Amino acid sequence: DAGVTQSPTHLIKTRGQQVTLRCSPKSGHDTVSWYQQALGQGPQFIFQYYEEEERQRGNFPDRFSGHQFPNYSSELNVNALLLGDSALYLCASSLQGSEKLFFGSGTQLSVL
Amino acid sequence: SQQGEEDPQALSIQEGENATMNCSYKTSINNLQWYRQNSGRGLVHLILIRSNEREKHSGRLRVTLDTSKKSSSLLITASRAADTASYFCATEGTGANSKLTFGKGITLSVRP
Repeated sequence: DAGVTQSPTHLIKTRGQQVTLRCSPKSGHDTVSWYQQALGQGPQFIFQYYEEEERQRGNFPDRFSGHQFPNYSSELNVNALLLGDSALYLCASSLQGSEKLFFGSGTQLSVL
Repeated sequence: SQQGEEDPQALSIQEGENATMNCSYKTSINNLQWYRQNSGRGLVHLILIRSNEREKHSGRLRVTLDTSKKSSSLLITASRAADTASYFCATEGTGANSKLTFGKGITLSVRP
């Protein structure tokens, strides 16, 4: 049973570029949440997708957008990258109504 | 913003000793969860306690919750070198604010 998988594992971009990160949820899960974790900090909630719609959103600008596909996989898009967007981006999946999150290993994004 | 605040920020103990970590939060919650993270990778769920519960056990883990003080503690008994990791408390808010919000984490080092 595959867990949550994220790709790529590492990514280097320059300021102003756009990036797309991908996540496949754990088998049987229908809800995907995205978190940003800066070095030495806790994960910060970006948004959550369920039934292909954004259900909740954290305090992140519109440069951060996402999508969920019919197979429950999800993408996180970040436009006009800033140096401060450098972080570990974590995807977590769950079954709607379940409180427990299952995390992927993350994508380490470096913006130069 | 991060809801939970863990205390201490760092903890170093000898193998075999007990480790106690504390978490305080600010608003009403449905539940409080503890997660573990090794080397900045994905988080792993450890234990969940609901707002109407006061204490739960899972293996060497014991978590308590005091909703009147808005605080929780995680006790790891008979620690092992393999317990070395970062530990985060996360709170699930109520109503429309039901997202999981993480604290900044505690770095636990267990010396062999």
